[in-house]
Amino acid sequence: AAGVIQSPRHLIKEKRETATLKCYPIPRHDTVYWYQQGPGQDPQFLISFYEKMQSDKGSIPDRFSAQQFSDYHSELNMSSLELGDSALYFCASTLNSGRNGGELFFGEGSRLTVL
Amino acid sequence: AQKVTQAQTEISVVEKEDVTLDCVYETRDTTYYLFWYKQPPSGELVFLIRRNSFDEQNEISGRYSWNFQKSTSSFNFTITASQVVDSAVYFCALSEEFNNDMRFGAGTRLTVKP
Repeated sequence: AAGVIQSPRHLIKEKRETATLKCYPIPRHDTVYWYQQGPGQDPQFLISFYEKMQSDKGSIPDRFSAQQFSDYHSELNMSSLELGDSALYFCASTLNSGRNGGELFFGEGSRLTVL
Repeated sequence: AQKVTQAQTEISVVEKEDVTLDCVYETRDTTYYLFWYKQPPSGELVFLIRRNSFDEQNEISGRYSWNFQKSTSSFNFTITASQVVDSAVYFCALSEEFNNDMRFGAGTRLTVKP
């Protein structure tokens, strides 16, 4: 069965550069979430989209932005990268239909290293 | 805001031992959902179970079992006859009905030694 696809799997950037992570949800899933997991930390919610509209916002820095496109894929844009942005970024999708509580299906994550 | 506490940072057991991972949660909502995820060394997050707040039935799936007790706000996870492949970080998570922010606990790193 198709899973959540994230690209790239690994990314190395310099400080102050920009990075874009992509997420392709499971087909027919209408909700996408982005999480950031620092080394040895639990995943922290960044932002979510339902039917291409932002539905909730967590601890996402102002330097980051995200959107969900008409084909439901989502992109997380990170600018002015800092060393502390080095983390594993997870995308997750679910069939929400406007309600919470469904299981989140996570991608394998994109590991960003900022040098 | 919801909160999930996994007091056990690391647990080490020998293969075939049983092990219980604790999870205590806090929420003001009457409708909420509890989850367990496994994160093996490869890094991906693997869904294990989902429970809604109205279903306190315990569940068993093979060597895995879950004990949900609303009276103590706990959702503990037991692995019976542990195996080396069970070595991973296990996260308990809570989602509220009208809040998209699924909150994870700090995780418990389980090491199963041969």
